[in-house]
Amino acid sequence: EAGVTQFPSHSVIEKGQTVTLRCDPISGHDNLYWYRRVMGKEIKFLLHFVKESKQDESGMPNNRFLAERTGGTYSTLKVQPAELEDSGVYFCASSQQTSGNTGELFFGEGSRLTVL
Amino acid sequence: GNSVTQMEGPVTLSEEAFLTINCTYTATGYPSLFWYVQYPGEGLQLLLKATKADDKGSNKGFEATYRKETTSFHLEKGSVQVSDSAVYFCALSDRGGSEKLVFGKGMKLTVNP
Repeated sequence: EAGVTQFPSHSVIEKGQTVTLRCDPISGHDNLYWYRRVMGKEIKFLLHFVKESKQDESGMPNNRFLAERTGGTYSTLKVQPAELEDSGVYFCASSQQTSGNTGELFFGEGSRLTVL
Repeated sequence: GNSVTQMEGPVTLSEEAFLTINCTYTATGYPSLFWYVQYPGEGLQLLLKATKADDKGSNKGFEATYRKETTSFHLEKGSVQVSDSAVYFCALSDRGGSEKLVFGKGMKLTVNP
């Protein structure tokens, strides 16, 4: 069974440009999360989808970030326009929809974004 | 708000050494506690967890006990191996029913033969 896959693994862009990150969760996982780790800092929650609906987007930094999950399968995270402080590693994670709080998320390897 | 503080390292140990990675937390509710590990070239994966006070999580020779009185969840292993080289993250989630996690900064461990 394929794990969570993310693309690209590394992106280097100029300030002001646009970047779109993609995440393919494990098949059948309704929950999809985006997290971000800025260098030297904690991994921070960005948002949570349940199927195609945004359940919680309280961690999104500002309106330059747009996440979508059309059809409830893969998700994209677009940064437009990118700023220097957006540099970091963006992690996607997925889990099955369960009634309990298991805390077990399945993470991708992350997409490293470098804004110059 | 909720937060996690853990040893940051990096730490280098020799094979068969004893490992302790300290983790303390601040939470308004009664969180579940986790250790995640990221091996080189891989995504984070759950190492162990504990959902209530005095629970001990264990996996792959690692252990951690949920200590409510000291708000801690320290990770230990009696004898590390080269294959344990990785970044270790302590994390918590509140009991709101989601897997929204709050992470510590992570600690890079290198184990030399």
